[in-house]
Amino acid sequence: DSGVTQTPKHLITATGQRVTLRCSPRSGDLSVYWYQQSLDQGLQFLIHYYNGEERAKGNILERFSAQQFPDLHSELNLSSLELGDSALYFCASSATGESPLHFGNGTRLTVT
Amino acid sequence: AQSVTQLDSHVSVSEGTPVLLRCNYSSSYSPSLFWYVQHPNKGLQLLLKYTSAATLVKGINGFEAEFKKSETSFHLTKPSAHMSDAAEYFCVVSNTGGFKTIFGAGTRLFVKA
Repeated sequence: DSGVTQTPKHLITATGQRVTLRCSPRSGDLSVYWYQQSLDQGLQFLIHYYNGEERAKGNILERFSAQQFPDLHSELNLSSLELGDSALYFCASSATGESPLHFGNGTRLTVT
Repeated sequence: AQSVTQLDSHVSVSEGTPVLLRCNYSSSYSPSLFWYVQHPNKGLQLLLKYTSAATLVKGINGFEAEFKKSETSFHLTKPSAHMSDAAEYFCVVSNTGGFKTIFGAGTRLFVKA
């Protein structure tokens, strides 16, 4: 058990809808990372937050946004969903920049 | 700039034979290097980490990796494959401060009985 909790495990929704994915990092970890994993694109870095502040952005679409709250949990908001957004979305946390990432088990999003 | 290249998208071995998963990296800094494993429908799990303390790094489940600066490589090995090793493996490079973490494309390991 990595200590990182992601909810929900599965999400099925229709095109055009909006969803929110939630991540609780390991106790004490200040950094939260979001990744998207799909068969055709592989593992893609989306965004990194450190202690509530955005630190780095990767290949995150404008339709997607994230935030990290004072209690350090994070949410990834996906809006105007398209079929191509169907993927596994992972959250990872780390204590410091050099620390290993600890991954949650992911949220599988299916857009129909 | 940083980059990481996993030289094989798929590797197939027989149970009990050695495993070699190849990774080359490029980094302007002294990097931190990691190997992660992902079993089907699971999150990624850390196998091992290199941070300049020793060039040969031992990880979990009998895996180890050797950092070779002259070759900019960080290959993952295991003397004897087990069926449970079948999974996808990711080589990762991270700069000092860790705010730039790059994942390789992954190598899928198949283990034949």
